[in-house]
Amino acid sequence: DAGVIQSPRHEVTEMGQEVTLRCKPISGHDYLFWYRQTMMRGLELLIYFNNNVPIDDSGMPEDRFSAKMPNASFSTLKIQPSEPRDSAVYFCASSPLSSYNSPLHFGNGTRLTVT
Amino acid sequence: ILNVEQSPQSLHVQEGDSTNFTCSFPSSNFYALHWYRWETAKSPEALFVMTLNGDEKKKGRISATLNTKEGYSYLYIKGSQPEDSATYLCALAGNTDKLIFGTGTRLQVFP
Repeated sequence: DAGVIQSPRHEVTEMGQEVTLRCKPISGHDYLFWYRQTMMRGLELLIYFNNNVPIDDSGMPEDRFSAKMPNASFSTLKIQPSEPRDSAVYFCASSPLSSYNSPLHFGNGTRLTVT
Repeated sequence: ILNVEQSPQSLHVQEGDSTNFTCSFPSSNFYALHWYRWETAKSPEALFVMTLNGDEKKKGRISATLNTKEGYSYLYIKGSQPEDSATYLCALAGNTDKLIFGTGTRLQVFP
């Protein structure tokens, strides 16, 4: 298996622009998680899905952030409009079962820079 | 709110030394504890998932123990090697599927 695939690897954009990050989970994994890594907060959970349904989005910073999972093999995280404080590395991770039983498999991350 | 704390924040050891670090969590809301290893410029990789009080897991020179009653887990590395240099993260699964990460212990092993 190719593992969790994220794109793009790097994104540089100007403040106010829309940014879309993409994730393809490992086939057969029912859970998908979006995390953001910052120096101040470490790995911060933004949202997670189970069987394509958003279960908990309490970590999404504000209305500028939205995430979708239209099918089992694709998810997007969108920021509109983007701000400099959104600059971070965004990780997608998937797992076959609940986190009670099964570890997360992480993608390589998208490094976002908003100028 | 689940608060996962790790100590120390960073650690420098000589090759061959054994080392350990701690993950603390609220024992009242425990379902599972994960350990991950995160090398620079890579993504976190799972080491262990632990669920039972008294659990002990081992992978090569790395092992972990779990005390759910007092809310801590230890990660041990025996005979550290330079390739063990990484950030070690623990994460707690509470009464939902959310996995909350600590801020990690950064280990540097000098040859």
